[in-house]
Amino acid sequence: GDSVTQMEGPVTLSEEAFLTINCTYTATGYPSLFWYVQYPGEGLQLLLKATKADDKGSNKGFEATYRKETTSFHLEKGSVQVSDSAVYFCALSEGPNSGGSNYKLTFGKGTLLTVNP
Amino acid sequence: EPEVTQTPSHQVTQMGQEVILRCVPISNHLYFYWYRQILGQKVEFLVSFYNNEISEKSEIFDDQFSVERPDGSNFTLKIRSTKLEDSAMYFCASTRRGSTDTQYFGPGTRLTVL
Repeated sequence: GDSVTQMEGPVTLSEEAFLTINCTYTATGYPSLFWYVQYPGEGLQLLLKATKADDKGSNKGFEATYRKETTSFHLEKGSVQVSDSAVYFCALSEGPNSGGSNYKLTFGKGTLLTVNP
Repeated sequence: EPEVTQTPSHQVTQMGQEVILRCVPISNHLYFYWYRQILGQKVEFLVSFYNNEISEKSEIFDDQFSVERPDGSNFTLKIRSTKLEDSAMYFCASTRRGSTDTQYFGPGTRLTVL
């Protein structure tokens, strides 16, 4: 079945440091890939997504590129801020045309990021 | 901006009791989901719901679980006889078209079974 493996946390960085959170996946077809973020006390929010190979998703300074050859979707940000402190989840979904069903999301375990001033 | 809401935010119950977790999806959305996250573990898919019926369910979603859309706005998850291992954060999500559209999540209900 589908699975997502992401970098174990927690990750602690100083403000303005470079961030990478690794994510790799296994899937039967051609999934769409997502990064969700969960700020303290809130629900999961979509951060960015990519729906096909070589697509780059970006939002709020975060980027991730869909790499089919390495089955990866690593999250990067050039300069993190204290307000980026949150849990980050990598996820995939496959629709009926790719052997999946109803676009359910398959998540990684989440990576806790703490950014210190 | 429209959002998914969930109530209660925290539910404490005794083992063997029934609980109902409530969600109000975004009003023009047609596909609904429940996920759960046991502390320290992955967010796991439980069930998807479309056109007033379950479209897919996971192995976790056994006979103790049921979902319902009793009216035009609410979407509920019922656990008939809770077990200790049902303690988790339960997330509701909805999406308009069920495609690669963004799934919008609620803030979650933390269920604690004693």
